[in-house]
Formats: sequence, C-alpha cells, structure tokens
Amino acid sequence: ETGVTQSPTHLIKTRGQQVTLRCSSQSGHNTVSWYQQALGQGPQFIFQYYREEENGRGNFPPRFSGLQFPNYSSELNVNALELDDSALYLCASREDRGNTEAFFGQGTRLTVV
Amino acid sequence: DAKTTQPTSMDCAEGRAANLPCNHSTISGNEYVYWYRQIHSQGPQYIIHGLKNNETNEMASLIITEDRKSSTLILPHATLRDTAVYYCIVRGGNTGKLIFGQGTTLQVKP
Repeated sequence: ETGVTQSPTHLIKTRGQQVTLRCSSQSGHNTVSWYQQALGQGPQFIFQYYREEENGRGNFPPRFSGLQFPNYSSELNVNALELDDSALYLCASREDRGNTEAFFGQGTRLTVV
Repeated sequence: DAKTTQPTSMDCAEGRAANLPCNHSTISGNEYVYWYRQIHSQGPQYIIHGLKNNETNEMASLIITEDRKSSTLILPHATLRDTAVYYCIVRGGNTGKLIFGQGTTLQVKP
C-alpha cells in the first residue's frame, strides 16, 4: 500500500475523444509525476508537477496536459486520443526534500479503440 | 541523466540469493541509483536507493562499486513472489524524473 490511488482502474475510449485520469497522492507529497507504460515497455516520463506548477516534461505532445490541486490530487488530460495512447498510465508522488523515493499508484489502463 | 544497462532476464532458485547487476558507467557525482520492481500490471514498487555507500533494508541490499559505475541488487532469499521486472534507475537530486529502461525480468523457480 503506497498511499497513492488512481481512478479509474480501466477505461475504454474512442479515437478522437478526450480523457481525464485522476490521482490522489499521499498527504505532504507536493511533487507528482505521470508516466505512460506501453505493453512490454518500461514507464516513460510524461511530466511532473510541484505545488501546482509543471516543472518538467518528457517527450510528449501538448495534447497531454495536467493539473495539480492543493489537496494532493492531480489529473492527467489527454485530448484527441490516438490508438497509440493505449497504455497503462501511472502517477507517482514524493516528498519535496532531496533524493526521496517516489511512490506509484496502481495505474489506469486506457484502451483507445 | 545517466543510462543504465541490465540483463534482459535472469532465473533464480527459490530460497537462494538473487543478484541483479546494473551498469551505469556515465553516472554523475550527484546522481543516485534507485531500484524498483514491477509485478505484472501493477505500479512499480520502490525497493532501495543509494549514492555511494552500500545500503540494506528489509527488502534487499544494494552494493555500489567504489567507482560507482555499476551496482548489484541482492534479494537474500528469493521467493516466488519476487518474480517481477526489476528496474535500475539513475536519478539526479534536482529532478524527480525517473528514466526506466527495459529492466531485468527475474523468474524465481521452485
């Protein structure tokens, strides 16, 4: 039990639609990161938020966006869904200080048809 | 961010120690070595991390060579539940970004 919860667990969307995935972090964890994991691959960093501001981004297009709220919840939004967006989406949170470990949620399995 | 190299797969007998190697020859002085594992379709689970000293916790031990160019994760008494993909990651202190490679698939056999 990591204290990081994600919803929904599974989701099916149609190509071209928009989707919002949600994450609830541990209290006190002001840093949250999102990752995309395609089948058979390692997780790929999408972006990171710290105190409601994006402060790092991976090689993902602008249709991937996020929000972080003061109550330790956050969202990943994906517009104009493509078939290749089908993946496991993971969020991870950690404390602010130095080199602390990140705790991952169980992920949301998104299928785009 | 430094890259890591791990064997694609390894087998280990149940009850024996599992030693998982990782090469990170381009690691910088302020970068830490992290290990995570992922059991099928679950979120990655943190195992251990270190800078230059060997580390031990209730799950595993981390041995980092003196030149810090490689490390070994040791699971002292592997069980069937340790079957997973193990990721070795190098991360700098100022970024939260974890760069995952392909990892090592560890199969623990009875």
